[in-house]
Amino acid sequence: DTGVSQDPRHKITKRGQNVTFRCDPISEHNRLYWYRQTLGQGPEFLTYFQNEAQLEKSRLLSDRFSAERPKGSFSTLEIQRTEQGDSAMYLCASSLNRSNEKLFFGSGTQLSVL
Amino acid sequence: AQSVTQLDSHVSVSEGTPVLLRCNYSSSYSPSLFWYVQHPNKGLQLLLKYTSAATLVKGINGFEAEFKKSETSFHLTKPSAHMSDAAEYFCVVRGSARQLTFGSGTQLTVLP
Repeated sequence: DTGVSQDPRHKITKRGQNVTFRCDPISEHNRLYWYRQTLGQGPEFLTYFQNEAQLEKSRLLSDRFSAERPKGSFSTLEIQRTEQGDSAMYLCASSLNRSNEKLFFGSGTQLSVL
Repeated sequence: AQSVTQLDSHVSVSEGTPVLLRCNYSSSYSPSLFWYVQHPNKGLQLLLKYTSAATLVKGINGFEAEFKKSETSFHLTKPSAHMSDAAEYFCVVRGSARQLTFGSGTQLTVLP
């Protein structure tokens, strides 16, 4: 499968715990995005990388959230001290570095904070 | 700031009848607009995109959308619905910061 892959598919955690998600983009794509989707809503932009550089961060990305893409390939999204409000689907997408290039999305990681 | 409003949260059609999913946009400049589809347990898939080349855009699976600047609309249509079209559809605008802004989605149900 040469699409965007995300791991794990589901994560259940207790409030206050830290969680980390991984995204593997399509291999030649140098742009990588993280989005969050809550029930009944469209995805909301969290952050964006071009290669290893994190170029944009949404105001939704509180201090408890950190994202990395150390070698410009895979990316991780960590949430520290999880809260029940963090429960959502976390989506990763990648694209080529061209204007208006379409995004390819992974199937997401569903986080449930108990 | 850019935004999109999807006018219907749920649409039901019978198989073989036309589909119309409505979207209005707000943008301070010429927008890039997209429609994405999300099937259960699958990633979002691009149906079509408008980037000012032509106002009528054809996408995959027989879908098309027409950009109407005077109405600030970008409605998605399909002449004949198929059972496999049942999914959630998102109208999306690309902002100046290259990020996508999604509408709240329209759940399409196709009845046999």
